[in-house]
Amino acid sequence: AQSVTQPDIHITVSEGASLELRCNYSYGATPYLFWYVQSPGQGLQLLLKYFSGDTLVQGIKGFEAEFKRSQSSFNLRKPSVHWSDAAEYFCAVGRNSGNTPLVFGKGTRLSVIA
Amino acid sequence: GAVVSQHPSWVICKSGTSVKIECRSLDFQATTMFWYRQFPKQSLMLMATSNEGSKATYEQGVEKDKFLINHASLTLSTLTVTSAHPEDSSFYICSARLPGGHYGYTFGSGTRLTVV
Repeated sequence: AQSVTQPDIHITVSEGASLELRCNYSYGATPYLFWYVQSPGQGLQLLLKYFSGDTLVQGIKGFEAEFKRSQSSFNLRKPSVHWSDAAEYFCAVGRNSGNTPLVFGKGTRLSVIA
Repeated sequence: GAVVSQHPSWVICKSGTSVKIECRSLDFQATTMFWYRQFPKQSLMLMATSNEGSKATYEQGVEKDKFLINHASLTLSTLTVTSAHPEDSSFYICSARLPGGHYGYTFGSGTRLTVV
C-alpha cells in the first residue's frame, strides 16, 4: 500500500522568502503525486500533480514541485512566499491503475510572518 | 468540468439524531466515490469507498452501521451519520476520480458536522 510522509508539521517563513515543503512517498510502482492546499474551514485546492514526463512540475500560484525517484520525494517549492500562502498543505499519492483513492500525508501548516 | 457538488456545507445536529450528506457528480458519472473524514488540524483519512449498485467498502476501524453509505445512482452518493455523537463532529469530504483519460481527482467542498 502507498503512504506519504510530510516530516514538517509546521513551518514559519517570512514574506518574500523562499519555501520548500517536504514530501516522501512509499509505493512500489511509479506513483501519481499531488499537492493540495487547504485554507481554514475550506475544501482542497489542487496546486499541481505529477504523472510522468518532466520531473519538474509547475503549478498554480507560482508553486513548483520536483519528483525525485531516487529519493522517493516530491517536494513543493515557491521562490517568494506571500502572506496569502498561509494555509495547510497536503501531499498525496495515488496508484497508477485502478479506481483507487488518494492517500494523504499529515499535512504541513505554513505560517507567513511580515 | 468534473464537478462534485456536496451538501450541506455545514450542519449542526443534536446527539442521537442522524445526518445525511450528499455528493453529486454534476457533469459526469461517478461509479466510485471516496469518503474522507478530517478532524481539526489533522489530515484526510479515508473512511470508505462507495460503488454504484453495490455495498460500500469500509476502512478498518470505521463503523459501517454508524456511517451508512449509499450509492444508488451513477451521480449520487450519500453518507448518513446515524445516532450522531459529539465525537463524530468533523469535516467530511467526498471525492471521485476524474472521468475519461484525465488522471486526477475531484473533491466536494466538504461538510462541517457539529454534533451538540
